[in-house]
Amino acid sequence: DSGVTQTPKHLITATGQRVTLRCSPRSGDLSVYWYQQSLDQGLQFLIQYYNGEERAKGNILERFSAQQFPDLHSELNLSSLELGDSALYFCASSAGGFQSNEQFFGPGTRLTVL
Amino acid sequence: DQQVKQNSPSLSVQEGRISILNCDYTNSMFDYFLWYKKYPAEGPTFLISISSIKDKNEDGRFTVFLNKSAKHLSLHIVPSQPGDSAVYFCAASARSGGGADGLTFGKGTHLIIQP
Repeated sequence: DSGVTQTPKHLITATGQRVTLRCSPRSGDLSVYWYQQSLDQGLQFLIQYYNGEERAKGNILERFSAQQFPDLHSELNLSSLELGDSALYFCASSAGGFQSNEQFFGPGTRLTVL
Repeated sequence: DQQVKQNSPSLSVQEGRISILNCDYTNSMFDYFLWYKKYPAEGPTFLISISSIKDKNEDGRFTVFLNKSAKHLSLHIVPSQPGDSAVYFCAASARSGGGADGLTFGKGTHLIIQP
């Protein structure tokens, strides 16, 4: 158990809809990262938050957004969903800072768009 | 364009022997490298990491070697055990002096340990 929790575990929705995925980082970790794993693209970095502020952006679509709250949990919002958004979405956390870059991953949320 | 490449989609090794998983990268800005292990329906589990200032890091049965000039790293598992059967991902980061950022992952190698 990595200490990172994600809810829900599974999500089934229709095209055009909006969903919110939730992540709680390990106790004490300030950085939260979101990744998407699809069959053809592998694990792709989407976005990072550090202590409430956006820190780095990867291949995140404009239809997707995220935020990190004062209690350090994070939410990933996916809107105007398309069939191609079906994937596993992972959250990871790390202590942040320069000394360590080990990221610890949650169990993921499987999103199915029908 | 793939910046981190794992050219072997799968690898079969006999129990007790050495498993060697390889990874190549193209981005010279990468300065921190990690290996993750993943079972189906679970998130990746951190195994071992290495900074670009080192060429070797060891943790129990796992050793990672880094050859910066060749932009190549490898993970050695010895001795291999049945529980090591999983998908192994190589990942890289350019910490760029300011802190952590997103990891760039390879597509993974499925390691199968044969009894």
